[in-house]
Amino acid sequence: NAGVTQTPKFRVLKTGQSMTLLCAQDMNHEYMYWYRQDPGMGLRLIHYSVGEGTTAKGEVPDGYNVSRLKKQNFLLGLESAAPSQTSVYFCASSPARTNSNQPQHFGDGTRLSIL
Amino acid sequence: ILNVEQSPQSLHVQEGDSTNFTCSFPSSNFYALHWYRWETAKSPEALFVMTLNGDEKKKGRISATLNTKEGYSYLYIKGSQPEDSATYLCAFQGSGAGSYQLTFGKGTKLSVIP
Repeated sequence: NAGVTQTPKFRVLKTGQSMTLLCAQDMNHEYMYWYRQDPGMGLRLIHYSVGEGTTAKGEVPDGYNVSRLKKQNFLLGLESAAPSQTSVYFCASSPARTNSNQPQHFGDGTRLSIL
Repeated sequence: ILNVEQSPQSLHVQEGDSTNFTCSFPSSNFYALHWYRWETAKSPEALFVMTLNGDEKKKGRISATLNTKEGYSYLYIKGSQPEDSATYLCAFQGSGAGSYQLTFGKGTKLSVIP
């Protein structure tokens, strides 16, 4: 019953370093999402994907890149980390919106600190 | 940017009390309204996805109502228990461009005092 798995769970980076966050889902979901959660803010969408090989920008995409080479994986990259990217990152997935009443399923989050 | 508001921001209730909180969202281009329960150090967990005006959904002691014409939803918890302590998030899903996206409110943090 893995669901949505995020790695790593914690990471500390120095300004300017790069890293990739991995999200994997085993539910055969079409759609995948990356959010960030900051104090006093709601979950904000960074990028999302509606299928393998496709990605799109969300509300706060600047400074991030994503790739969906395989249906089950959605990668979030920080090319040059900045302190403003210190946050908790959540990945989510959902079935294609061919049926109604489809919630998103979330991973446990990655806590990222940029010094 | 869509405006999804939740109130109150936080709430303390005694064990056994019933409580409710509000989510307001745009009344146009509505597709669905989601409710999630988010415990500290865990991932958000889906409670309800509501699509029809006037709909009411129930899961145990938790229920929710939906008014799409005026753009609000209420979440009710009957006989609150300490394990209900969590942040409750609502999220608006529109029907237009970007309809794959959810716009989340900031949440209502509920603390149930034993």
